[in-house]
Formats: sequence, C-alpha cells, structure tokens
Amino acid sequence: DAKTTQPPSMDCAEGRAANLPCNHSTISGNEYVYWYRQIHSQGPQYIIHGLKNNETNEMASLIITEDRKSSTLILPHATLRDTAVYYCIVRPFYTGTASKLTFGTGTRLQVTL
Amino acid sequence: NAGVTQTPKFQVLKTGQSMTLQCAQDMNHNSMYWYRQDPGMGLRLIYYSASEGTTDKGEVPNGYNVSRLNKREFSLRLESAAPSQTSVYFCASSATERSYEQYFGPGTRLTVT
Repeated sequence: DAKTTQPPSMDCAEGRAANLPCNHSTISGNEYVYWYRQIHSQGPQYIIHGLKNNETNEMASLIITEDRKSSTLILPHATLRDTAVYYCIVRPFYTGTASKLTFGTGTRLQVTL
Repeated sequence: NAGVTQTPKFQVLKTGQSMTLQCAQDMNHNSMYWYRQDPGMGLRLIYYSASEGTTDKGEVPNGYNVSRLNKREFSLRLESAAPSQTSVYFCASSATERSYEQYFGPGTRLTVT
C-alpha cells in the first residue's frame, strides 16, 4: 500500500479556504485517494475520494496532480466546525478481503476566528 | 436517517465481565465493520461482515465475537473483558465490502478496570 505524508498541523481563518496537502509519491495505478476526518471524540467521517480526476462534493474538493503523486483537499469556506484531524488514505480497488481502513497520523486543522 | 447508531456510549467493566456492544445502520448497507481506536495506534479492524449471514476476522479478533443479527444490526461481544480491551470502539457500514466509503457511528468508550 502506498504511504502518505501529511503535515502534522495547519491553521486556517474562518471563512477562508483550507488547503490540506498529501504526498503519496509511491501510489499505484489502481489505488484511490480517500479523505476522512475525525472531529474530537466523534467517529471518523468520510469526505471524498478520487482516482485521477478532480472531484467535488458538498463538503470539499479534491485536487489530484497529473502524476498522482500528491493531492490537496480543499474546504472552500472553513468554519469552526471543520476543526478536526484530516486523514489522507490511499487504498487499492478491492483486494478480495475486507475494505479495511487504516489511518496514519493525519493533519490537525485548527480553524480560528 | 440516523446513519449508524451505537449503544452504549460509555461503559466501565471489571476484568472478567462480559458485555455486548450494539450497532445498527439504516442506510440499507450490506457490509458492516467493528474497529477499535487506541491512542497512537489508529484504527484496527476487529471483525467485519461482508453481507447478512457472513462474518470474518479482521486484524485483532482475539477476545471478541460478533453477530450479524440481520441486515441492519451487527453486535460485538466481549466474553471476558481484559484491561487491554480498554479502547474506543467504532462500528461502520458501507454499501458493499468493496467500498472504502464507510460511515461510522459515534463510538463506545469502554474502560476495563
């Protein structure tokens, strides 16, 4: 499985865009990039995923570089409720066993007034 | 939709006691999972159920049993609790076993003394 590298922490002012980077330079052609977040004391929350095209949903946008070696999660208008640990996960398309999620250390995003 | 619900939210057990953690989802998902999360260890998969009527071991199944009661419900039982089982337990579900788009419950915080 490809290893991911994320900065340990970031700050963002409320109302501004939060851009969270993730490096996955060893990603394989059949591996997707998933983003989850975990707000303190809550269960992890799925945000978005992509293979090679940019993706957008109601929560965020995911920008994957053309060589797929890195990606950026964008929260367009961060609010205090977006303060959380954000996890970038690279997983292959179904390996025949349980789709087990494994989280690294993630990026702790602090949104401030 | 309530999504994934878990009961209880908190529990304190003495060593050797037994208990069952309950999980239910209302998203008509086929697959369900039990994870534990310890500080500094990330998520670890205990058991999963790819579909109603099937269960399989994950990474750390020892000391646990599960029951997929029906499509909605997946319970986790600790037969003889040990202090090493002190953790936060999360139940998750996904549309199929192939999906890393998993939806988590709020967790059960278990302390074994």
